[in-house]
Parts: sequence; C-alpha cells; structure tokens
Amino acid sequence: GDSVTQMEGPVTLSEEAFLTINCTYTATGYPSLFWYVQYPGEGLQLLLKATKADDKGSNKGFEATYRKETTSFHLEKGSVQVSDSAVYFCALSDHNSGNTPLVFGKGTRLSVIA
Amino acid sequence: EPEVTQTPSHQVTQMGQEVILRCVPISNHLYFYWYRQILGQKVEFLVSFYNNEISEKSEIFDDQFSVERPDGSNFTLKIRSTKLEDSAMYFCASSVYEGVSTEAFFGQGTRLTVV
Repeated sequence: GDSVTQMEGPVTLSEEAFLTINCTYTATGYPSLFWYVQYPGEGLQLLLKATKADDKGSNKGFEATYRKETTSFHLEKGSVQVSDSAVYFCALSDHNSGNTPLVFGKGTRLSVIA
Repeated sequence: EPEVTQTPSHQVTQMGQEVILRCVPISNHLYFYWYRQILGQKVEFLVSFYNNEISEKSEIFDDQFSVERPDGSNFTLKIRSTKLEDSAMYFCASSVYEGVSTEAFFGQGTRLTVV
C-alpha cells in the first residue's frame, strides 16, 4: 500500500540555519504530495503541495520539489526562524489507488533556537 | 479566518466507557474526516463522510467506531467500549470537495487518554 517515510526527529537548528527534512514515498498511482505543519497547541495546517512530477511547492520561505525519479519530496528552507519551531508532516493523496484520504508520515519535530 | 474546532481538547476516560469526540467543520465544507495519531506513530486515516453517509473508511474503523452529523454544524466520532490502545490524538478535518489536491483543514485535535 501507499506509504510515506520522513526523517526521524527531533531536529534542532540555530536561527538562520538551512533546513532539510527528507521525505520519500511509495504509491501505486500518481499521488499529490503535501507538507503539513503543526504549531504548538494548533491543528495541522497545509504548508505547501505539489500535484505532479517536477512541480515545486512553496510557502513562507519553505520549498519542496516533487521528484518522481527518486520518489521524494524533501522540505527545505534557506534560513529558519524561531517561529518555524513545529512538527512537520509529509503526506500524499493517491488518486489512482482510489484513496484520496491523506497518508501521512510520522512527523518531524523542528526546534529552532535563537 | 474560518477554522475547524474540536472539543474537548483532552478527554480522559476509563476503559470500557463510551466517548464522543466533537467537531465543528468549516461551514461551507462538504467532506468531513477523522484521523488519529497514536503517540510516536503516524497520523492515520479513520473515516470520511459526505452527504450524511460514510464515503470511505480504513481497517481501523471497525464496529467500535461510528460517526454522525447530528445537526447542520457538528460532526462527531463515537468510540464504544474504549480500550487502552484507543489512546491517541484524534483530528477532525473538512474540505470543500474531495480530490487529490484539495486542501483539508484540520482541527487542533482531541487527546484521548484511556485509563
């Protein structure tokens, strides 16, 4: 079945450091890919998405590129801020499997220190 | 900004008891979902609901679980005869329509602790 694997956390970075959170997926069809973020005490929020190969999703300085050849959707940000501290979830929705509900990874906790 | 709201934020219940988790989806949304996350594990899909009936459910969503939209605003998840392994964070979500690229809006979650 479909699955998402993302790097284990927690990740601790200093402010202005470069961030990469790895995410790879397995899907039977042609999935759409998502990054969700959960700030402390809040629900999951869509951060960015990409719906086909080579698409780049971007938002709030975060980027991720849909790489079909490596089945990856790594999240990057050039300069993190303390306010980026949160849990980040990679997810997919696979139309061809008939399974539009989201399939999530385990989440990666990011802590940014000043 | 419209948001999905869930109550309570934390529920503690004794094993064997029934619990009802409540959600108020965004008002113009048509599709509703429940997900759960057991501590340290993945967020897992439980059920989706459209037009007053279940449209899809996972293997987790067995006879112990039920969902209902009792009025025009609430969407509830009932768990009967709770077990220790039902302890998890339960997320409600809603979307305008169903589709692979549709954004689902999530609530802040209800942490269920079964003791």
